[in-house]
Amino acid sequence: QKEVEQNSGPLSVPEGAIASLNCTYSDRGSQSFFWYRQYSGKSPELIMSIYSNGDKEDGRFTAQLNKASQYVSLLIRDSQPSDSATYLCAVNQEGRPANSGGSNYKLTFGKGTLLTVNP
Amino acid sequence: KAGVTQTPRYLIKTRGQQVTLSCSPISGHRSVSWYQQTPGQGLQFLFEYFSETQRNKGNFPGRFSGRQFSNSRSEMNVSTLELGDSALYLCASSSRGGTQTDTQYFGPGTRLTVL
Repeated sequence: QKEVEQNSGPLSVPEGAIASLNCTYSDRGSQSFFWYRQYSGKSPELIMSIYSNGDKEDGRFTAQLNKASQYVSLLIRDSQPSDSATYLCAVNQEGRPANSGGSNYKLTFGKGTLLTVNP
Repeated sequence: KAGVTQTPRYLIKTRGQQVTLSCSPISGHRSVSWYQQTPGQGLQFLFEYFSETQRNKGNFPGRFSGRQFSNSRSEMNVSTLELGDSALYLCASSSRGGTQTDTQYFGPGTRLTVL
């Protein structure tokens, strides 16, 4: 069973602090990794995608990937109350090669970490 | 560009009935995936369609089925509904669906309640 694990939280940080969200995955062949944000009662929206080892920054968000450790994280700098949501880590599991006409698109999601940013 | 749309947004059914949910992907997107989200299990992959063909399937019973039309719109069907099928059903579309760098965009979901 290929799994994606996240700390369920809740993670509570003060406004302006750095929030650190972590995710581990079991399938060593996984190639692409995504962070989605989901507000209560809403559908997930993509925050970051990362495919190579290292850091990827986009505004206040930084995704970090370490394939050797099978670990991906999301840092939110200068956290705002509007960042309060559930953050879902998703991993695209290895499948048939794209050029075979098949699909290697089968996202496995963690159960999410609830983040609360306190004013 | 309009986003992914799903209809209906809310449904109430009773055990034993069947239900059909509809999803219209972002214009130009050819891949449509379906997910079930429950508080206990989180988001779980149901199946993915590309060019009217099911290419990937999750670990759900045969009561869950789907199809995709030539305009990329997709439907999923659940037959013989059980109480445990109560969930938020999410559809997501992507442009190519066959490359590792493709990105999925989610629709607002259909909230199904089985009584």
